[in-house]
Amino acid sequence: AQSVTQLDSHVSVSEGTPVLLRCNYSSSYSPSLFWYVQHPNKGLQLLLKYTSAATLVKGINGFEAEFKKSETSFHLTKPSAHMSDAAEYFCAVSGRDSSYKLIFGSGTRLLVRP
Amino acid sequence: EAGVAQSPRYKIIEKRQSVAFWCNPISGHATLYWYQQILGQGPKLLIQFQNNGVVDDSQLPKDRFSAERLKGVDSTLKIQPAKLEDSAVYLCASSLGRGDSYNEQFFGPGTRLTVL
Repeated sequence: AQSVTQLDSHVSVSEGTPVLLRCNYSSSYSPSLFWYVQHPNKGLQLLLKYTSAATLVKGINGFEAEFKKSETSFHLTKPSAHMSDAAEYFCAVSGRDSSYKLIFGSGTRLLVRP
Repeated sequence: EAGVAQSPRYKIIEKRQSVAFWCNPISGHATLYWYQQILGQGPKLLIQFQNNGVVDDSQLPKDRFSAERLKGVDSTLKIQPAKLEDSAVYLCASSLGRGDSYNEQFFGPGTRLTVL
């Protein structure tokens, strides 16, 4: 069985400071891991994905995430937050069962203070 | 490249009424997904199609929900009769379903359903 735990429901940072959104996963298979962002009244947009290549994954808008198998973690980071980063962020895991379906975490709402 | 299209964007109905949602995936994408996103939660997969066949509908409440994907392109999701707990955003997503990007999913804007 696969699952994802997003450790913080809300994160608040000041503009220009680093962002850290935490995600832990559980998977019986070698997982694929994803981070999606959702702005209000919009669909989910893929930020980045890990699929067993490099453990440090770079995504769009300056975000990156590091796959750590020993810690079963896939935390999302950004060196400097921008006001436009305020949104809901979802971590997701996909195994290699028949459907390759995504299992999402409950989300982390990022607030960026001016 | 056009994205995933969904309609309507918003729908308000009373309980026990029926409702249908429509999704047009990205051209060439073989796999189509319907998710339910309840307020404050992550999306939950309801049903997955590969072309016009069902791959996974284990989380679909089949006593009231139905979905079809005729001709392997557009899809409709129907709820009949609706319950209060069906209030949610219904997201459609699609993916190539093959190659390196086999499960990289692209999402539509969603349909926000309110059941009164």
